[in-house]
Amino acid sequence: KQEVTQIPAALSVPEGENLVLNCSFTDSAIYNLQWFRQDPGKGLTSLLLIQSSQREQTSGRLNASLDKSSGRSTLYIAASQPGDSATYLCAVESGTYKYIFGTGTRLKVLA
Amino acid sequence: SAVISQKPSRDICQRGTSLTIQCQVDSQVTMMFWYRQQPGQSLTLIATANQGSEATYESGFVIDKFPISRPNLTFSTLTVSNMSPEDSSIYLCSVWEQGGYGYTFGSGTRLTVV
Repeated sequence: KQEVTQIPAALSVPEGENLVLNCSFTDSAIYNLQWFRQDPGKGLTSLLLIQSSQREQTSGRLNASLDKSSGRSTLYIAASQPGDSATYLCAVESGTYKYIFGTGTRLKVLA
Repeated sequence: SAVISQKPSRDICQRGTSLTIQCQVDSQVTMMFWYRQQPGQSLTLIATANQGSEATYESGFVIDKFPISRPNLTFSTLTVSNMSPEDSSIYLCSVWEQGGYGYTFGSGTRLTVV
């Protein structure tokens, strides 16, 4: 059974820092991995989708990498800003388009 | 990517009543999903709703408690029936899109049962 874990659970950094969020999964046979952000009490906003044949994706200050063999993905945020404060979730799809979500990393960027 | 309108955005309901949540998508999509997010937890899939067939429920979720309709390729509803305080959660609908978009989510319904 696929399990997805995110480390750290919470992170507080000063504005301007580069930071890395980690996501690990137990079954390497995945089709897609997607990173989301969630603001308190709100829905999810898609950040990056990495398909199984890809190693990384970039959007603006965000870069996500995928290493299927080791069951890991990282989300790199460059030059963090207070507006980046949110919970970041990774999710993996192992077939049938159903996602298993990680436990989330609560990020706070201090001005 | 698709744009999903989810209503209501929040509600406070009495125990024993039912609430129907609506999701409207601005394009035709085959696969729609309903998720629950309990306080402080991550998301759990309730069911997959495909047009023209019965919804497929995940372990721990039953049709009598969470009936789902999918009358066409742009619309779905989830009803939370006979509610108890344990049903207080955020409920989210989502769609899967081809073409590199992956999952897109609605804005969520924050339900509080008192």
